[in-house]
Amino acid sequence: DTGVSQNPRHKITKRGQNVTFRCDPISEHNRLYWYRQTLGQGPEFLTYFQNEAQLEKSRLLSDRFSAERPKGSFSTLEIQRTEQGDSAMYLCASSFRAYGYTFGSGTRLTVV
Amino acid sequence: TQLLEQSPQFLSIQEGENLTVYCNSSSVFSSLQWYRQEPGEGPVLLVTVVTGGEVKKLKRLTFQFGDARKDSSLHITAAQPGDTGLYLCAGETQGGSEKLVFGKGTKLTVNP
Repeated sequence: DTGVSQNPRHKITKRGQNVTFRCDPISEHNRLYWYRQTLGQGPEFLTYFQNEAQLEKSRLLSDRFSAERPKGSFSTLEIQRTEQGDSAMYLCASSFRAYGYTFGSGTRLTVV
Repeated sequence: TQLLEQSPQFLSIQEGENLTVYCNSSSVFSSLQWYRQEPGEGPVLLVTVVTGGEVKKLKRLTFQFGDARKDSSLHITAAQPGDTGLYLCAGETQGGSEKLVFGKGTKLTVNP
């Protein structure tokens, strides 16, 4: 078990481009979460899956954001038409119970 | 909006000193978690407290959950340079949501 894996670690993109991030959770964890963290702030909740079902979405998750978890294993987070305000660390976490997350190392997105 | 206020925001101390950081809210949480985060990495779970008044110890770290489950503290005894990092508290909201609400963190620097 190598923990929660996120790819890529870093992504630089031009404004207006689409980007997709991948998260591979710990295999026996049925819960998967996406958070976003900007400089000087704590992580902010984006969305949550239990198995393949997306059960909760934050109002932060605009129409440009979409997340999937096909077959209840890995998850992808796509941002369409990126804006400079999307620059942040995108964190994925998984858990077996409702508390006690294991976070990945994150994907650092820079929109130029 | 449920907010977690952490204090102090920054703390710089010498090796061997003791310190306490605080996490306060006007809201009641089902559980509260403490994480430590290093630059460029995801948060790492230190402890979860669930019961009001609960005290948990992890080597030189002592965590306490307030009786009313609205606040928590983290006390470090004889701090070491390896304790340097961003300490985040996160509360699990009541009412069935599984999202965590994070504070902004306390950035601790322990100087040798």
